[in-house]
Amino acid sequence: QKEVEQNSGPLSVPEGAIASLNCTYSDRGSQSFFWYRQYSGKSPELIMFIYSNGDKEDGRFTAQLNKASQYVSLLIRDSQPSDSATYLCAVGYTGKLIFGQGTTLQVKP
Amino acid sequence: GAGVSQSPSNKVTEKGKDVELRCDPISGHTALYWYRQSLGQGLEFLIYFQGNSAPDKSGLPSDRFSAERTGGSVSTLTIQRTQQEDSAVYLCASSLQWTGTDTQYFGPGTRLTVL
Repeated sequence: QKEVEQNSGPLSVPEGAIASLNCTYSDRGSQSFFWYRQYSGKSPELIMFIYSNGDKEDGRFTAQLNKASQYVSLLIRDSQPSDSATYLCAVGYTGKLIFGQGTTLQVKP
Repeated sequence: GAGVSQSPSNKVTEKGKDVELRCDPISGHTALYWYRQSLGQGLEFLIYFQGNSAPDKSGLPSDRFSAERTGGSVSTLTIQRTQQEDSAVYLCASSLQWTGTDTQYFGPGTRLTVL
């Protein structure tokens, strides 16, 4: 049973702070990892993907992958109220994504 | 360009009735996926189509659920004899192909309510 675990939150940070979202996965053979953002009542939209150990930066977002420890994280720098949403971690397998339950982020002005 | 589209956006039905949900993937995408998201829950994989290969039905929760993909494009998810626990948002996604790393793009979803 492939599992992806996230803290459901809510994670509350003040505007301008760094938000850190974490995710662990059970299958050591996993190769691809995705972060999606989902606003209430909307469908998920891709923020970033990462395949290799280390950090990957895109604007205010940084994804970090540690395959030895089986965790992937997402850092959001200079958090804005518009970043308030549910962040879904997903692990890719042939033909499917296995999603975590999502972490709700609240950025307070 | 056009994204993934789904219809209807909302569907209310009575317990025991059959429903059909439609998905139009992004043009040129060979892989198509169906997921389900129950209230306050994460996304649950249902079924996956890749080109002309046999679909991966491993996520379908019961034999009341079926899906087909015609002409390698449009897909229909059918739920027979609907139950209240089938109430959820049904999301369709597509990707260029699926090698394990391709990005999946999601449609707006169909909210199904079974009374």
